[in-house]
Amino acid sequence: NAGVTQTPKFRVLKTGQSMTLLCAQDMNHEYMYWYRQDPGMGLRLIHYSVGEGTTAKGEVPDGYNVSRLKKQNFLLGLESAAPSQTSVYFCASSYLGGIPPDTQYFGPGTRLTVL
Amino acid sequence: QKEVEQDPGPLSVPEGAIVSLNCTYSNSAFQYFMWYRQYSRKGPELLMYTYSSGNKEDGRFTAQVDKSSKYISLFIRDSQPSDSATYLCVPWGGYQKVTFGIGTKLQVIP
Repeated sequence: NAGVTQTPKFRVLKTGQSMTLLCAQDMNHEYMYWYRQDPGMGLRLIHYSVGEGTTAKGEVPDGYNVSRLKKQNFLLGLESAAPSQTSVYFCASSYLGGIPPDTQYFGPGTRLTVL
Repeated sequence: QKEVEQDPGPLSVPEGAIVSLNCTYSNSAFQYFMWYRQYSRKGPELLMYTYSSGNKEDGRFTAQVDKSSKYISLFIRDSQPSDSATYLCVPWGGYQKVTFGIGTKLQVIP
């Protein structure tokens, strides 16, 4: 049982390049989330999904797109990377979603630097 | 006003000390209060949670909530170097949106 895994762990991009971050979970969770974590800002929700084939915007969605074609995978895409997107990206999943008590299980993170 | 406020620290204490980590929140609709722990270069993990006001103890950890003052505390007894991490306060209203505090970085010095 690997929990939540993220690929890649590190990446350096040039401004304008595109990339996709992959998140996979093997806990059969319905809900999946993408966050970014920046110093002094805490975790901020980018996009989330409440089930296969669904996505919704979070707090800071601009510049990102997501897809949830399979229940176990949640992809985060950057179409044209900008230096402001330099951050640590975390994927999380949860079983109950809005039903308390909800526990989010986090992946190890992807460190992205945009030059 | 931010929904959740935490002092980012760092808070440095000697091994064996009692640690008090605190958080304030503004939304009176929050009913559940979670603490996540995040080790350096790792993802956060749930440490414990409480419902409404009162105390909850789990080993060396005690979570305390005072809804009247919108104040949340996490106490760590007999702190260990392995407790060195960032502690995120997470009040929750029972809907999908979860608001994470910025976290307080704790360093326990051997």
